[in-house]
Amino acid sequence: DGGITQSPKYLFRKEGQNVTLSCEQNLNHDAMYWYRQDPGQGLRLIYYSQIVNDFQKGDIAEGYSVSREKKESFPLTVTSAQKNPTAFYLCASKAGRLYSNQPQHFGDGTRLSIL
Amino acid sequence: DAKTTQPNSMESNEEEPVHLPCNHSTISGTDYIHWYRQLPSQGPEYVIHGLTSNVNNRMASLAIAEDRKSSTLILHRATLRDAAVYYCILRDVLYGGSQGNLIFGKGTKLSVKP
Repeated sequence: DGGITQSPKYLFRKEGQNVTLSCEQNLNHDAMYWYRQDPGQGLRLIYYSQIVNDFQKGDIAEGYSVSREKKESFPLTVTSAQKNPTAFYLCASKAGRLYSNQPQHFGDGTRLSIL
Repeated sequence: DAKTTQPNSMESNEEEPVHLPCNHSTISGTDYIHWYRQLPSQGPEYVIHGLTSNVNNRMASLAIAEDRKSSTLILHRATLRDAAVYYCILRDVLYGGSQGNLIFGKGTKLSVKP
């Protein structure tokens, strides 16, 4: 079955440590997104990408970095500069262009906590 | 993108229909109405979307008011698996920005009783 796989499901970060969240899709989608969700809140956009080797900052990109070396992969690194990283992180993709009306497909998320 | 208003929570009985309302009085002519749902500890799941006409798919129906200022997501027979937070989102495909991201509010938490 096609879909988006996020790993790990749970992740713990120590002070001063960078951690990387994996996002892989086999839907052959061009557009990919990273969102952050805090308890009881909606989703906020961290980074997005239309094609390989191209990505743009979203509304809350500070303290995060991404890469898009392959169409199917869009990993997110939470750096030590992100002072409040505890949240539920969601990766999404959709067919066609970023601005298209295609539905977004989401992974099951990674829950990041601070040790 | 225009703002939506949804009730914080609703309750339903299993196997009964559920009507989830959404108000969007400032909707523009190019805003599509999207519905997603999120089960506990999972990512959001696309449910349905439409522009002006009512829409049906295997998951639900979307009823859009004639003036488009409100819409209703209809689950025809609620099951326990339908207990989730339901989000009504407007997406302006012409003027909504190049990112194409979805702006999720707090949604409606649907509880389904056996």
